[in-house]
Amino acid sequence: DTAVSQTPKYLVTQMGNDKSIKCEQNLGHDTMYWYKQDSKKFLKIMFSYNNKELIINETVPNRFSPKSPDKAHLNLHINSLELGDSAVYFCASSQVNGWETQYFGPGTRLLVL
Amino acid sequence: AQTVTQSQPEMSVQEAETVTLSCTYDTSESDYYLFWYKQPPSRQMILVIRQEAYKQQNATENRFSVNFQKAAKSFSLKISDSQLGDAAMYFCAYRRTTLGNEKLTFGTGTRLTIIP
Repeated sequence: DTAVSQTPKYLVTQMGNDKSIKCEQNLGHDTMYWYKQDSKKFLKIMFSYNNKELIINETVPNRFSPKSPDKAHLNLHINSLELGDSAVYFCASSQVNGWETQYFGPGTRLLVL
Repeated sequence: AQTVTQSQPEMSVQEAETVTLSCTYDTSESDYYLFWYKQPPSRQMILVIRQEAYKQQNATENRFSVNFQKAAKSFSLKISDSQLGDAAMYFCAYRRTTLGNEKLTFGTGTRLTIIP
């Protein structure tokens, strides 16, 4: 009965490869997010989708492309991986109605070699 | 742009004692939300407590309470009767009330160690 799930939990890959991280939520929320946590533990928003529509796109390289096939899923595809992409990526979801809490997935630790 | 500052990179407290984690923020908005999240070694982000800016009463959740000082833009977290399971990174976060911009802006975190 996991609320927000991400796959995979760990991802080790070579520079230049393309990889995807999947996120699913079963909370019935209409908004989903991707956050990046760097090596110093700093968390920053990357993208936000509301009902499959992109509503927040922070200054993220074009190599990162989110895709939301439906409001329960938000995937993150990364092209031409670079060393600096190594981080933990968190998916989150919330219901946009007042101050609904954002619920986070377990994170995906990406290591680019 | 909104910013959130946590000036204590690390804190430690004796088990069963009380500790306060500091957070200040900068915003020109009059209404917003503030949160404290906990990140234990498992990496999971867990909501600890939240506060609406228009509410003057400080939020409380069991052993966790906040001291919200709106004029000073301060939002500190007090943990009473500290337990070993409280050891974690604690993040303060800010969120505007504007629909379509619900992103959380996080502070840099405070690592809390509990001394047995």
